[in-house]
Amino acid sequence: QMQLQESGPGLVKPSQTLPLTCSVSGGSISSGAYYWSWIRQHPGKGLEWIAYIYHSGKAHYNPSLKSRITISIDTSKNQFSLKLSSVTAADTALYYCARASSGGSSWFFDYWGQGTVVTVSS
Amino acid sequence: QSALTQPASVSGSPGQSITISCTGTSSDVGGYNYVSWYQQHPGKAPKLMIYEDTHRPSGISNRFSGSKSGNTASLTISGLQAEDEADYYCGSYTITSTVVFGGGTKLTVL
Repeated sequence: QMQLQESGPGLVKPSQTLPLTCSVSGGSISSGAYYWSWIRQHPGKGLEWIAYIYHSGKAHYNPSLKSRITISIDTSKNQFSLKLSSVTAADTALYYCARASSGGSSWFFDYWGQGTVVTVSS
Repeated sequence: QSALTQPASVSGSPGQSITISCTGTSSDVGGYNYVSWYQQHPGKAPKLMIYEDTHRPSGISNRFSGSKSGNTASLTISGLQAEDEADYYCGSYTITSTVVFGGGTKLTVL
């Protein structure tokens, strides 16, 4: 059974860079038509897609966050990571990593991590 | 990119049926892209309930069904149960290779 587990600092100071890592178990991050994604949820709010990456390294970003995002993948460790720079209080949220299954025009998130809370505060 | 439009809340009594709509544009929902639906209970990660507009993953009750017409997709839950009370989100891939979610709908089982 595939499992995803987020890890991160929990607390980040304003203007700093937030690093998050998602460790994948129960399957290879290199296999199949899967896209490895980051999604966040502000307190009491809805889901916001951040970015996704394919095992080849090809990535796509939310246009509203693109200038601050770096997403990477390490197939040797079966992990993928997100870096969000110049954070502000508006980046305080619950961050999820998820696997997206894709084929043709199909796209859906079938596996999710439990989420990691990130607070931006001095 | 704009979020897909969902009603903020819906409610129904046990045993009844409810429908949640998800309206987008020809660039996402109305395009050739499929819609998926997610259920989220408080403090839990979202759970896939419907994919490719109408398909249920293994283990999902057949009380959950999806449909789509034009730029609007719908999730119908029949035979409402107390455990169905949760937030529901729709999601769609877009023609610019991005992903967009709906704002979410809070389902209350009366």
